[in-house]
Amino acid sequence: LAKTTQPISMDSYEGQEVNITCSHNNIATNDYITWYQQFPSQGPRFIIQGYKTKVTNEVASLFIPADRKSSTLSLPRVSLSDTAVYYCLVGVFKAAGNKLTFGGGTRVLVKP
Amino acid sequence: SAVISQKPSRDICQRGTSLTIQCQVDSQVTMMFWYRQQPGQSLTLIATANQGSEATYESGFVIDKFPISRPNLTFSTLTVSNMSPEDSSIYLCSIFGGSGTEAFFGQGTRLTVV
Repeated sequence: LAKTTQPISMDSYEGQEVNITCSHNNIATNDYITWYQQFPSQGPRFIIQGYKTKVTNEVASLFIPADRKSSTLSLPRVSLSDTAVYYCLVGVFKAAGNKLTFGGGTRVLVKP
Repeated sequence: SAVISQKPSRDICQRGTSLTIQCQVDSQVTMMFWYRQQPGQSLTLIATANQGSEATYESGFVIDKFPISRPNLTFSTLTVSNMSPEDSSIYLCSIFGGSGTEAFFGQGTRLTVV
């Protein structure tokens, strides 16, 4: 899997938009970009996945520029319950030997 | 998405003993993955469990310490053997989601060794 770099932590306030940028300079042609959310004492939860341009679902949006060397997860109008660790992964299961390699993630703290 | 159930959700064990963690998936899957997450750390892959063959272990993990069973396409167990306090972690099972790097995880088993 391509190496990713993301901020260690971010603070925000309820109702604000949170944007987390992940750098992945050595992304391969077939690689996908996937984000996971992990609450304390729970397993990671798949949030969103994209290949290029913009992807939106009921939880978040994922912005991917044309060169795909970075991506931005956008969480609209966060609430206290969005406090979690967010992981960015880049790759394709089969090409990666069917493994996921998690980096350090971004710890997001939403304040009242 | 798949439903993955892990048992137990948490346990406190004496050092030197063993604990077997169960993982049940609501669909048939070829591969199941076991991860460890030490306190405050990210996830580390322990091994990949394929039905009908021996599990494949990652560097730093050995079968004697973490024996894995995979009796059918919906179930797997991970045993943490001869436990020490350093084994205190959250253990998670996971399956492939179908595309890219999409995956689904169980809720984890929080193990404390005293």
